Amino acid sequence: DGGITQSPKYLFRKEGQNVTLSCEQNLNHDAMYWYRQDPGQGLRLIYYSQIVNDFQKGDIAEGYSVSREKKESFPLTVTSAQKNPTAFYLCASSIDLGSPRFGPGTRLTVL
Amino acid sequence: EDKVVQSPLSLVVHEGDTVTLNCSYEVTNFRSLLWYKQEKKAPTFLFMLTSSGIEKKSGRLSSILDKKELFSILNITATQTGDSAVYLCAVNNAGNMLTFGGGTRLMVKP
Repeated sequence: DGGITQSPKYLFRKEGQNVTLSCEQNLNHDAMYWYRQDPGQGLRLIYYSQIVNDFQKGDIAEGYSVSREKKESFPLTVTSAQKNPTAFYLCASSIDLGSPRFGPGTRLTVL
Repeated sequence: EDKVVQSPLSLVVHEGDTVTLNCSYEVTNFRSLLWYKQEKKAPTFLFMLTSSGIEKKSGRLSSILDKKELFSILNITATQTGDSAVYLCAVNNAGNMLTFGGGTRLMVKP
């Protein structure tokens, strides 16, 4: 059964720490995305990747980094440079021209 | 910069009412417009619209796109409490990037 998995579901971070959020898909989708959602707001694009070993910055890439070494995996690192990282992070994937399908999300809280 | 605006921000109705949610957009190289429903977690896909004037329908939900006036509406008839959610509109450009609106929060009271 194909799908997108994200882990962990909840993550707590101390200020100054880097953390990495996992996103894996077995849908054979080429494109993968990371979005951030703040309470009561829509989704904002952090990074996206159309193909392995290539990725592009979205609207709010500062303080984040990604890699795309495998088609199935698109991990997001929230660095200490991200000043307000507490949010709900959603990963998505799509085939070209298709509607993106979302993972279950990771809720990150900075203590 | 691509822009998507949804209205109203929030809406409270009673079961059985009909609601219309609005989405207007400005996008370079429009490819498609998508509607999602978000309850507690990840958004779930409702519709993808690419052509003007053609209604997409799924049960009590329907949506239509006007590419001349740059907007879309999502209609829900005979609302039920299970329709309570945030409804998100997004536009996809030629670079396959999605830009989301801020969402409309719908609450359906019994």
